[in-house]
Amino acid sequence: ETGVTQTPRHLVMGMTNKKSLKCEQHLGHNAMYWYKQSAKKPLELMFVYNFKEQTENNSVPSRFSPECPNSSHLFLHLHTLQPEDSALYLCASSQVYASGGTYEQYFGPGTRLTVT
Amino acid sequence: GDSVTQMEGPVTLSEEAFLTINCTYTATGYPSLFWYVQYPGEGLQLLLKATKADDKGSNKGFEATYRKETTSFHLEKGSVQVSDSAVYFCALITSGTYKYIFGTGTRLKVLA
Repeated sequence: ETGVTQTPRHLVMGMTNKKSLKCEQHLGHNAMYWYKQSAKKPLELMFVYNFKEQTENNSVPSRFSPECPNSSHLFLHLHTLQPEDSALYLCASSQVYASGGTYEQYFGPGTRLTVT
Repeated sequence: GDSVTQMEGPVTLSEEAFLTINCTYTATGYPSLFWYVQYPGEGLQLLLKATKADDKGSNKGFEATYRKETTSFHLEKGSVQVSDSAVYFCALITSGTYKYIFGTGTRLKVLA
């Protein structure tokens, strides 16, 4: 596998279900991100992990719970979601340098989530 | 705060037409600038980048020049193809941070 992979690619879940999205990066990066992409809305940053530490949580509801066990893996645990949570969830990674420089992000293909 | 403004789409062109998608930014520091492309059903792919003023990023016939004086990073291509139909995102990141700022995306439709 190369780049950033995400599983599953498609997920349909009921509002009472619990599911998890998985992301894995094979680029040796030290920062990982979750984004939400809804139709006709800008890309929304949800969470950022830098060196496995969560550094950003953009007022995301608690029904979304991220987990970053190591610098290569990122999970998004979902429970009691709402229909408006239906969207494309994108994972990304980047390299943050000790000097503070950060360059391009690499994205996975996304998980298309439908909440019924 | 930092921001990116892109022209609204959709942009509809005939094959072999010249493409320009405008992007302007505001940033407190010295940002790196990017263009990403998203094909239907896929994630965002890095198309090109520029990390300092006057740099020109280029890839697959697309070009963009980092213009500090006009705070712009317009995407251009001399002759578009049907396969270029996608959504294009302009983005920036400021040195010392790891939070990327994306524009709202511009949908390009190229007709045969």
